[in-house]
Amino acid sequence: NAGVTQTPKFRILKIGQSMTLQCTQDMNHNYMYWYRQDPGMGLKLIYYSVGAGITDKGEVPNGYNVSRSTTEDFPLRLELAAPSQTSVYFCASSRMGLAGEETQYFGPGTRLLVL
Amino acid sequence: AQSVTQLDSQVPVFEEAPVELRCNYSSSVSVYLFWYVQYPNQGLQLLLKYLSGSTLVKGINGFEAEFNKSQTSFHLRKPSVHISDTAEYFCAVSENTPLVFGKGTRLSVIA
Repeated sequence: NAGVTQTPKFRILKIGQSMTLQCTQDMNHNYMYWYRQDPGMGLKLIYYSVGAGITDKGEVPNGYNVSRSTTEDFPLRLELAAPSQTSVYFCASSRMGLAGEETQYFGPGTRLLVL
Repeated sequence: AQSVTQLDSQVPVFEEAPVELRCNYSSSVSVYLFWYVQYPNQGLQLLLKYLSGSTLVKGINGFEAEFNKSQTSFHLRKPSVHISDTAEYFCAVSENTPLVFGKGTRLSVIA
């Protein structure tokens, strides 16, 4: 299994440009997540999905959109890039354990710079 | 609402010395607790998790953590660190909801 894959690995955008960060998992997990990581701030949840066709906002959703048309894919869309969106973006997926807990598996990240 | 506090943002330690990374959480009900590790330029990997039962949880790479309900803590320990343990460590909590992460502790192992 490849696990969670993310593309691209790096991207530089100009202010106002748009882009889609791709995320794919091959573990048949229902739950998928998008986080952003800023230095010293830990991970902040942007959006998450509990299954195909279902998405919900996390802590910092403004400026982003998501869709979940299949179990495997969970793309993150930036419509009008702003310098505040310079960050490292991580996608994760999870399965439910025997105790009802979730264990999340993370992709390698996408480093985005907005100038 | 859940929250996680990692009391130290940076912890320098000499190679082969013991280390403890502290984590406190706030929750009024039973929780699941996790420690993740992030090596430079990589995603997060699960180190260990506490679900129920024994309060001492053993994880990968010689790490262990102890759940203390009365102190709402879940501190991570290793008796002897290696250079390869240099990384950022994140504590996380879940109450059947998306994980809530702490801000991370950067462990720097000095030769």
